[in-house]
Amino acid sequence: ETGVTQTPRHLVMGMTNKKSLKCEQHLGHNAMYWYKQSAKKPLELMFVYSLEERVENNSVPSRFSPECPNSSHLFLHLHTLQPEDSALYLCASSQGRGMEKLFFGSGTQLSVL
Amino acid sequence: QQPVQSPQAVILREGEDAVINCSSSKALYSVHWYRQKHGEAPVFLMILLKGGEQKGHDKISASFNEKKQQSSLYLTASQLSYSGTYFCGTLDQTGANNLFFGTGTRLTVIP
Repeated sequence: ETGVTQTPRHLVMGMTNKKSLKCEQHLGHNAMYWYKQSAKKPLELMFVYSLEERVENNSVPSRFSPECPNSSHLFLHLHTLQPEDSALYLCASSQGRGMEKLFFGSGTQLSVL
Repeated sequence: QQPVQSPQAVILREGEDAVINCSSSKALYSVHWYRQKHGEAPVFLMILLKGGEQKGHDKISASFNEKKQQSSLYLTASQLSYSGTYFCGTLDQTGANNLFFGTGTRLTVIP
């Protein structure tokens, strides 16, 4: 148990669906992150939130929409995804936003059909 | 911008040693090491800051040569529990708040 919980663990969706990924951290951290992990590719940083403000958006397509309603919760809203968006989506948190020790969740394995 | 890791995969027998390398084309501020077991979350191992420091974590240690922009992870007397994929992440000296990860090294320890 790393203190970061992601739901669902697995998700299959069609290209016209709308779904959301949820992340919750119980560590009292101030920064939260979304990463994408594709097979044989490096972990890619998507979004960074610090104290509920988005501080980083790495040229992610608008079909991915993050939301951070409070410092413990982070969502990733998905709509009109493409098959190449199939990947493991990892949430992480850290005490500050200096990219120090990251605590990762177990991820949501997403398949887009 | 992503660091390059080598080797991509390695198989060890219990008790053997291994070295995993991570190199970058950019001047680095810090190097971060994580391990991910299959189906699990990546777990933090250590951070090395510029200054050529070397850190240890049980029988896993690492060094950081900032002049060469390289880091190496040393696994000594490997145990079955060391199996997993090891990732290095690098923060460069531009101040950009983006930890770039390598593609990982898959380590398998067999009895």
